[in-house]
Amino acid sequence: EAGVTQSPTHLIKTRGQQATLRCSPISGHTSVYWYQQALGLGLQFLLWYDEGEERNRGNFPPRFSGRQFPNYSSELNVNALELEDSALYLCASSFDFRAGAQETQYFGPGTRLLVL
Amino acid sequence: GEDVEQSLFLSVREGDSSVINCTYTDSSSTYLYWYKQEPGAGLQLLTYIFSNMDMKQDQRLTVLLNKKDKHLSLRIADTQTGDSAIYFCGEYNFNKFYFGSGTKLNVKP
Repeated sequence: EAGVTQSPTHLIKTRGQQATLRCSPISGHTSVYWYQQALGLGLQFLLWYDEGEERNRGNFPPRFSGRQFPNYSSELNVNALELEDSALYLCASSFDFRAGAQETQYFGPGTRLLVL
Repeated sequence: GEDVEQSLFLSVREGDSSVINCTYTDSSSTYLYWYKQEPGAGLQLLTYIFSNMDMKQDQRLTVLLNKKDKHLSLRIADTQTGDSAIYFCGEYNFNKFYFGSGTKLNVKP
């Protein structure tokens, strides 16, 4: 069974540009999560999508946004890039916790975004 | 639920036991996790424990949960050089996941 996949693996942008990161969840998973892992820091929760809707978001400005498609894949968009947005962006997927599924998140390998 | 704390570094000798500790602040957390991140890779789920459990054992891994003190630990028996990685503690609470900053485990041969 294929795991969570993310593309691209690396992305280089300049300040002020927009970045689009993509994630495909494990087959059967309906929830997709996005995290930012800045160098030397832990994981910061960004966004949670389930069944096409945003369920929750972390303490990030509105220029971090995303969406989930009918096939449960997801995009993370970062507008007006700033230097401090340089980080590893991790996507994870799971079954819907709220439905009582006793499962947890499985992570993709990440997209490394560098903002120059 | 946002303050999940871990020590940053742990160094052990091969064959010894490693104990990685984590504290969290929200007693209503329902799931607590341990993930492993090797260099250049994403996070790999090691184990998780429900909040109504005190202990969970899985081969070389033992998870202990002290709800009163809001303390979670991961014990790795017979630590190997392949266990060198960053270990993240995480919790699930009210539709959000919180992770610590990770503990870097260095295993010396």
